Amino acid sequence: EPEVTQTPSHQVTQMGQEVILRCVPISNHLYFYWYRQILGQKVEFLVSFYNNEISEKSEIFDDQFSVERPDGSNFTLKIRSTKLEDSAMYFCASSEVGGRATDTQYFGPGTRLTVL
Amino acid sequence: RKEVEQDPGPFNVPEGATVAFNCTYSNSASQSFFWYRQDCRKEPKLLMSVYSSGNEDGRFTAQLNRASQYISLLIRDSKLSDSATYLCVVRRTGGGNKLTFGTGTQLKVEL
Repeated sequence: EPEVTQTPSHQVTQMGQEVILRCVPISNHLYFYWYRQILGQKVEFLVSFYNNEISEKSEIFDDQFSVERPDGSNFTLKIRSTKLEDSAMYFCASSEVGGRATDTQYFGPGTRLTVL
Repeated sequence: RKEVEQDPGPFNVPEGATVAFNCTYSNSASQSFFWYRQDCRKEPKLLMSVYSSGNEDGRFTAQLNRASQYISLLIRDSKLSDSATYLCVVRRTGGGNKLTFGTGTQLKVEL
């Protein structure tokens, strides 16, 4: 069964450093997403991406965040200058496009980001 | 008011019990509804979508009441492997397919 993959599984970084989280969505999917989950809290939407541009972003997704699809398979989330409060699990997701297929988002296993 | 509200639990039930979870949503523009399952420190996994009047999948039944903005999940004959956090999720009309998650209801099935 096709699945979303993410690397690394755990990233530790110093406050102020830049991090790039990587995702490989399911191959025939065209809609991509990033969510985050702070420990003990709910899953929160960050951004959705379709046709090489951001479709929607949340208030969390400020100027410190950016997304990119650098090639035909990868989808990345960059945090330019990490803060302590960026420590969370970051989930990538993808979905097909069109009708109910768009509804079903498949999540990757997540990258645990720890900012020290 | 939170956009998606759930009772956090935990619900501790014996194996074989029937358990029901409830969820309310505040945005009447919500279009699609789902139950996801999340195991500890793992990714959310789609359990079932809930369309129109609801649907059934084996031991799981989901109901939707648009007038009351209320969604439910019923698990029959619960098993130890059902122990997890159940997330109520909604998607509103338009926008970039953003999913809005509830905080989740924790279920513990015991021997």
